[in-house]
Amino acid sequence: DTAVSQTPKYLVTQMGNDKSIKCEQNLGHDTMYWYKQDSKKFLKIMFSYNNKELIINETVPNRFSPKSPDKAHLNLHINSLELGDSAVYFCASTESAETYYGYTFGSGTRLTVV
Amino acid sequence: AQSVSQHNHHVILSEAASLELGCNYSYGGTVNLFWYVQYPGQHLQLLLKYFSGDPLVKGIKGFEAEFIKSKFSFNLRKPSVQWSDTAEYFCAVNARGNAGKSTFGDGTTLTVKP
Repeated sequence: DTAVSQTPKYLVTQMGNDKSIKCEQNLGHDTMYWYKQDSKKFLKIMFSYNNKELIINETVPNRFSPKSPDKAHLNLHINSLELGDSAVYFCASTESAETYYGYTFGSGTRLTVV
Repeated sequence: AQSVSQHNHHVILSEAASLELGCNYSYGGTVNLFWYVQYPGQHLQLLLKYFSGDPLVKGIKGFEAEFIKSKFSFNLRKPSVQWSDTAEYFCAVNARGNAGKSTFGDGTTLTVKP
């Protein structure tokens, strides 16, 4: 059973489009995150939700909007996609933001904007 | 804000050679420290972590890391590498009480020649 699953695995889209990436975890964790990994493999945190509440909101263009319908799901919606949005987006979860023991990552979504 | 520096960007070793990857962090308070591994085409996996206690921590697959507080370092070691250790290695730091927000280093690419 996959612990943290992301869909889709690959996403190729044109500039200006709107797209969503979905993430689900079956670990019973309270806290979920979105990270962006650029072409140089640098990882940067974008957002975090703890039990459906937004707790981390880094300096990210407001074209990016996270949504957490319940604590097992964290989706990322991106409006008006730009070339610079091309990256691998990783979802991650941890038991709790208060008792943080490290992340369990999803397999990533490779977004290519053309 | 915390920062993480990994000095070796690309390390090339032969099988059975010993490995040491450097990681230094910058933060004045108490931190949790992690090493993650990303095998080619895969997601990040937690190798090992340090929270408190014995500064020498052992992780999976024969890896270990030593926390030296006076040097703000958390170097990763393995006595004898295998071809299957070829991967990207990331050091990460989390300031205690910071909602599980981790700052990652730039990563070190390890290539092990058979």
